[in-house]
Amino acid sequence: KNEVEQSPQNLTAQEGEFITINCSYSVGISALHWLQQHPGGGIVSLFMLSSGKKKHGRLIATINIQEKHSSLHITASHPRDSAVYICAVNRGSTLGRLYFGRGTQLTVWP
Amino acid sequence: DAMVIQNPRYQVTQFGKPVTLSCSQTLNHNVMYWYQQKSSQAPKLLFHYYDKDFNNEADTPDNFQSRRPNTSFCFLDIRSPGLGDAAMYLCATSQTGRETQYFGPGTRLLVL
Repeated sequence: KNEVEQSPQNLTAQEGEFITINCSYSVGISALHWLQQHPGGGIVSLFMLSSGKKKHGRLIATINIQEKHSSLHITASHPRDSAVYICAVNRGSTLGRLYFGRGTQLTVWP
Repeated sequence: DAMVIQNPRYQVTQFGKPVTLSCSQTLNHNVMYWYQQKSSQAPKLLFHYYDKDFNNEADTPDNFQSRRPNTSFCFLDIRSPGLGDAAMYLCATSQTGRETQYFGPGTRLLVL
């Protein structure tokens, strides 16, 4: 069983819809990351969280440490949001090493 | 702009022919990582450098080697590529105490 699980694996939405991607983890962490990967490969860091909630533009990330769960929300989704969204965690004992979820492929149709 | 650069972006090699992928960074980060990512899978850590200290993952094949001649550069050498080594190879950096990783655009390797 992967230490970091994401759901759903694939998500299709209509432009303007509110989107939620979930991440749960089974290990102790020092931080959780949400990453975005567009076709062509490059990965961009969206958020790093150790508690609470962060917001950047239309993106909101939350984390519940007790429940070992995080969500990434996209409000007013747009076709340019289409990408793979990856949840990854740092485990405090292993320097900066990331443990990745399998990713969620998001497709937003106009 | 400070960044992580990977060259080449696309590499085609023949079965068994050695290949070297390069990564450079202008961030002056002390930690550098090499990941392998196959289609529809999460990135898999191959090795990382903490300063000059090399850390190999237990399941990284011996076919894969790495060099870090200085802070800015890191190389991934695949000594005898097999068909199963075709993948996207991602380089990333971070600074100790700050857990955000900065990724390069990746090198897509095709083995014929």
